[in-house]
Amino acid sequence: EIVLTQSPGTLSLSPGERATLSCRASESISSSYLAWYQQKPGQAPRLLIYGASSRATGIPDRFSGSGSGTDFTLTISRLEPEDFAVYYCQLYGSSPRYTFGQGTKLEIK
Amino acid sequence: EVQLVESGGGLVKPGWSLRLSCAASGFTFSAYGMNWVRQAPGKGLEWVSSISSTSTYIYYADSVKGRFTISRDTAKNSVYLQMNSLRAEDSAVYYCARDARLVAFDHWGQGTLVTVSS
Repeated sequence: EIVLTQSPGTLSLSPGERATLSCRASESISSSYLAWYQQKPGQAPRLLIYGASSRATGIPDRFSGSGSGTDFTLTISRLEPEDFAVYYCQLYGSSPRYTFGQGTKLEIK
Repeated sequence: EVQLVESGGGLVKPGWSLRLSCAASGFTFSAYGMNWVRQAPGKGLEWVSSISSTSTYIYYADSVKGRFTISRDTAKNSVYLQMNSLRAEDSAVYYCARDARLVAFDHWGQGTLVTVSS
């Protein structure tokens, strides 16, 4: 079973700064099946990125995804106040088990 | 507009059963696979089960296999999760999510809370 490990667990930054979140797979995966979600307190997750680098509908271009093999990254170029939330990566599609990472909390410094 | 609305959550005792429903609207339900994902209080997301568009392929997380059953009714545009032999560790908010294949889980419901406690 493939395990996704996200780092850091918590990231403390200020609005306007750049955020870099990491997701590492325990074995190589197809980049076609790596997604990122944002979740705010009391809300359902929202799809940000699919296929490792494609933005979902309506997602601002300050969000970008990259990576291949075992290492994937979500980058938020300039943090807005509404970006502070928890972010999850997910393996989907090719496997019948749609594994999530444990999450990274992005908090205001 | 795509909408997914879960219902059926509540407070039950260990060993009891519960059936969750997810009503879908705003898209061609029969063309999409559907999933259940849960989130225990203060914890991360855990995929629970998936069902393909024609119910041909059904999968479960090891943690619920043999106790939970996913199903769908195209006539009612709904997906269900029958949960039997519930345990305290099944307590969570349960979300249904549309499986857009290469586009991952592109729409989610607001969730329904299940609490298993004596």
